[in-house]
Amino acid sequence: GENVEQHPSTLSVQEGDSAVIKCTYSDSASNYFPWYKQELGKGPQLIIDIRSNVGEKKDQRIAVTLNKTAKHFSLHITETQPEDSAVYFCAATLTDKLIFGTGTRLQVFP
Amino acid sequence: ETGVTQTPRHLVMGMTNKKSLKCEQHLGHNAMYWYKQSAKKPLELMFVYSLEERVENNSVPSRFSPECPNSSHLFLHLHTLQPEDSALYLCASSQDPLEVGYGYTFGSGTRLTVV
Repeated sequence: GENVEQHPSTLSVQEGDSAVIKCTYSDSASNYFPWYKQELGKGPQLIIDIRSNVGEKKDQRIAVTLNKTAKHFSLHITETQPEDSAVYFCAATLTDKLIFGTGTRLQVFP
Repeated sequence: ETGVTQTPRHLVMGMTNKKSLKCEQHLGHNAMYWYKQSAKKPLELMFVYSLEERVENNSVPSRFSPECPNSSHLFLHLHTLQPEDSALYLCASSQDPLEVGYGYTFGSGTRLTVV
């Protein structure tokens, strides 16, 4: 079955710096890769996603890159702000079921 | 609010109690999910319903019993739970098949503590 590994588990950055979170997946048939942000006391919320026929997607300060050959994808956050502090989850899907990574706790210090 | 509402937000129950978690979605989705979120573990898929039919049960103990009376409502009935069942229980909904840009929409979860 699909397995998704996510690194690092915790990440601390200074406000204004960039943050990068990486995930790898095991099933080459996976074709959809969303990223979720979970703030304290809330459920995960979709922030960006990418399909396997696209190599990169950007939305303001966040971007996702996908390397199908290496089976890994990454979340990039530029110009980080304290409100970016949260737990971020990657996921990969096979036949519409989402398998989640273990999460990355991002702390942005002012 | 995300369009998926879960109640109650917090629940403390004894091991001999029976309680139910409720989830309601107002997004017109046709698939609903229960996930368990424990500390330092990946999100664990418990049950999947598509068009009100259970399509997946991920080896969940029988002390957890789901119910999906219609495409907008999902319940998780709990009985004789164990302390290790304490976790955040998340409900999610989606279109089946998944739509780009939407994925799953999660509720805020029910924080369950079994004492």
